[in-house]
Amino acid sequence: EDKVVQSPLSLVVHEGDTVTLNCSYEVTNFRSLLWYKQEKKAPTFLFMLTSSGIEKKSGRLSSILDKKELFSILNITATQTGDSAVYLCAVAALQGAQKLVFGQGTRLTINP
Amino acid sequence: DAGVTQSPTHLIKTRGQQVTLRCSPISGHKSVSWYQQVLGQGPQFIFQYYEKEERGRGNFPDRFSARQFPNYSSELNVNALLLGDSALYLCASSRSFVEQFFGPGTRLTVL
Repeated sequence: EDKVVQSPLSLVVHEGDTVTLNCSYEVTNFRSLLWYKQEKKAPTFLFMLTSSGIEKKSGRLSSILDKKELFSILNITATQTGDSAVYLCAVAALQGAQKLVFGQGTRLTINP
Repeated sequence: DAGVTQSPTHLIKTRGQQVTLRCSPISGHKSVSWYQQVLGQGPQFIFQYYEKEERGRGNFPDRFSARQFPNYSSELNVNALLLGDSALYLCASSRSFVEQFFGPGTRLTVL
């Protein structure tokens, strides 16, 4: 059965800290790994990773994929209170449908 | 461009009732997927439709059904509602099957 596991499930840090969120997966017919940020309702797209070892960056956020070890990390530097959210990792698997298999999410809280 | 839209935003039903949720994809996107997100969990795949055809179905009972219309909008129907169907129902659209963009969701409460 396809599985995506995120750790930690919850993280509380102070503004300005750097955080690393982890995602490991076991999925048949892997196509890509995606990170989303969910604040209230709609998950908003952050990154899509397809190739191993190539870092994707957007401002203070960066992510990298290791397809040999089957994991990805999401780094956030110089955290701000607006970074408080649930971060979801999803793996795109092609099994007839292109479905996303999600992890449980990491709830990140940034205290001022 | 407008994003994915869903209606209604909130819905309260009682056990045994039926519900229809609606989704309009981003203009130009022909694929729509439905996900169920129970509180504290990640979204779970329910259905994917492309060009009005069902492309895949997750591990959900036959009480769940969906369809896609010629304008690529979609409806999700749930019959004989159970308390456990209470969740946020998310619709996502995509152009290329790879990046999926989510709507704001419909919060369904079953009493």
